[in-house]
Amino acid sequence: SQTIHQWPATLVQPVGSPLSLECTVEGTSNPNLYWYRQAAGRGLQLLFYSVGIGQISSEVPQNLSASRPQDRQFILSSKKLLLSDSGFYLCAFGGGKTIAGEQYFGPGTRLTVT
Amino acid sequence: AQSVAQPEDQVNVAEGNPLTVKCTYSVSGNPYLFWYVQYPNRGLQFLLKYITGDNLVKGSYGFEAEFNKSQTSFHLKKPSALVSDSALYFCAVRDVGSSNTGKLIFGQGTTLQVKP
Repeated sequence: SQTIHQWPATLVQPVGSPLSLECTVEGTSNPNLYWYRQAAGRGLQLLFYSVGIGQISSEVPQNLSASRPQDRQFILSSKKLLLSDSGFYLCAFGGGKTIAGEQYFGPGTRLTVT
Repeated sequence: AQSVAQPEDQVNVAEGNPLTVKCTYSVSGNPYLFWYVQYPNRGLQFLLKYITGDNLVKGSYGFEAEFNKSQTSFHLKKPSALVSDSALYFCAVRDVGSSNTGKLIFGQGTTLQVKP
């Protein structure tokens, strides 16, 4: 079966520190991958998506970046965190390559920048 | 431009009563429509989808949704609400121009509160 993992589950980081969040998918190959941020438990903001290894598309200009070093690995990074980077980060897979295009989400990472 | 609207921030219903969470959409072509549920501090869980065919779609946990093309709506329904249904619900539409990107456009979410 297909599963998606994210870690860490929670993270508290000071302003100006680097960030690395990891997402891995099992049970599927060549998935579309997505990073979202959810602020204040409400709407989802698509940050990045990837349709293949090394292919990253950015939806919103900011101090975050994403990479896809392996087929089923998606990493969200920052060199220097801002207070406004706090939020709930969700990774998802699926989309165009699934029959109906639905996405499946990981458990999320709660990031607090202090 | 494609968009999704969930007009209610919160829906309150008594346990055992039917529930409806509203969603309307705007796309340039035929839509793929989805409903997700999110419990506190958890990821989104896929509930159901509409692609084509029967306008009434059945999904997980007893939920169903009715597609209405003339009203461009895709309301989520359940005949008898449970307290455990209390959560945040998202409607989403597939961007018809997304081709192989599979990007979804999400509504802002509706909090469902089911009271005993």
